[in-house]
Amino acid sequence: AQKVTQAQTEISVVEKEDVTLDCVYETRDTTYYLFWYKQPPSGELVFLIRRNSFDEQNEISGRYSWNFQKSTSSFNFTITASQVVDSAVYFCALSEARLSGGYNKLIFGAGTRLAVHP
Amino acid sequence: GAGVSQSPSNKVTEKGKDVELRCDPISGHTALYWYRQSLGQGLEFLIYFQGNSAPDKSGLPSDRFSAERTGGSVSTLTIQRTQQEDSAVYLCASSQRDRGRRTNEKLFFGSGTQLSVL
Repeated sequence: AQKVTQAQTEISVVEKEDVTLDCVYETRDTTYYLFWYKQPPSGELVFLIRRNSFDEQNEISGRYSWNFQKSTSSFNFTITASQVVDSAVYFCALSEARLSGGYNKLIFGAGTRLAVHP
Repeated sequence: GAGVSQSPSNKVTEKGKDVELRCDPISGHTALYWYRQSLGQGLEFLIYFQGNSAPDKSGLPSDRFSAERTGGSVSTLTIQRTQQEDSAVYLCASSQRDRGRRTNEKLFFGSGTQLSVL
């Protein structure tokens, strides 16, 4: 069965701290995509990153970095030097390419609420 | 438009009434998705449109739920005889993907419609 687990329900940090959000997934497919989305208080989900199952190279985008490890089925997200504007709910999601047409039937984790305090 | 627009932003209704939720995708986006976000179930896929057809309706929770899309643009999600368990945020997303491309593409989400069934 396909499943995404975000074990951290809430994380609270002080500005400038580094924080890592964990994501563990389960899938029987060999070809799949992993995503991170940010949901600020306004409600819309904002795309952060997409990674396919054949690319295990870690990625860095400014203060954001992602660590994809197939051996442990994890796709963790680290924010370096956190800022108050990073406060949001962060969702990890899985999409399986075997589905017809490869469309985005996303399986979401429960989300991690990050609060960054000044 | 500049982004995915959903209306109304909030809807309060009485149990047993029908409701219609509207989604205006980003102009030119051929794929449209409905997701539901509720406290008990998290974020769940409901339905996927490619153009005006819906090849995947597997996430619709019951036959009280239906959706249509006209002109390859606006979509309406209809819930008949609403129940209290239908209370949730209904999120619409769109993307530009060509038929046959297997890209599991990036989705652009609207801010959602908060539905409250009393």
